[in-house]
Amino acid sequence: AQKITQTQPGMFVQEKEAVTLDCTYDTSDPSYGLFWYKQPSSGEMIFLIYQGSYDQQNATEGRYSLNFQKARKSANLVISASQLGDSAMYFCAMREAGTGNQFYFGTGTSLTVIP
Amino acid sequence: KAGVTQTPRYLIKTRGQQVTLSCSPISGHRSVSWYQQTPGQGLQFLFEYFSETQRNKGNFPGRFSGRQFSNSRSEMNVSTLELGDSALYLCASSSLAGVTTDTQYFGPGTRLTVL
Repeated sequence: AQKITQTQPGMFVQEKEAVTLDCTYDTSDPSYGLFWYKQPSSGEMIFLIYQGSYDQQNATEGRYSLNFQKARKSANLVISASQLGDSAMYFCAMREAGTGNQFYFGTGTSLTVIP
Repeated sequence: KAGVTQTPRYLIKTRGQQVTLSCSPISGHRSVSWYQQTPGQGLQFLFEYFSETQRNKGNFPGRFSGRQFSNSRSEMNVSTLELGDSALYLCASSSLAGVTTDTQYFGPGTRLTVL
């Protein structure tokens, strides 16, 4: 079974609008961390935001917020006020204590911001 | 603080050759992980090193090997190159190993083309 599932291969959003990128995960470990990365066409993976399994509140980092629904095992990334520079691939990732904290990545979502 | 650096950024090799890629982690980081990224397979974990010891290994043939030096710099070697080894090879560093909350920071990648 896939540890991380991203069901949206491609998304479009109008500039200045908000967009939600979906991520579901699969783990029976009570201790895990969820991460989102952005990969522009240059190739470098840029860390965006982190959510721990024991965190009570949703993580926020500037225009990025993580909608963490533990019971549904989802960790959706919300980008507010989209900018042209947000056009990139976005990857959801998880590390769980039980598997040596190895990172597992989803297949990614390609986001295009339309002017 | 300088980020993760990878050299070279681009490589062109022919089948049967071998190649060595280098990664310098963020200063103070002791864990280095390597990933292979291809359009067909996505991001695949190769291995992780911490304090010169391999902690985790992905499902890759023995042609892929790595090592870490006492200064935490890491090298990855691929012997007897195949066409399918053409990919973006990403290195990531984190301060610790085996900690769920620890974030990985990625380098710009080495783009390897095998002809």
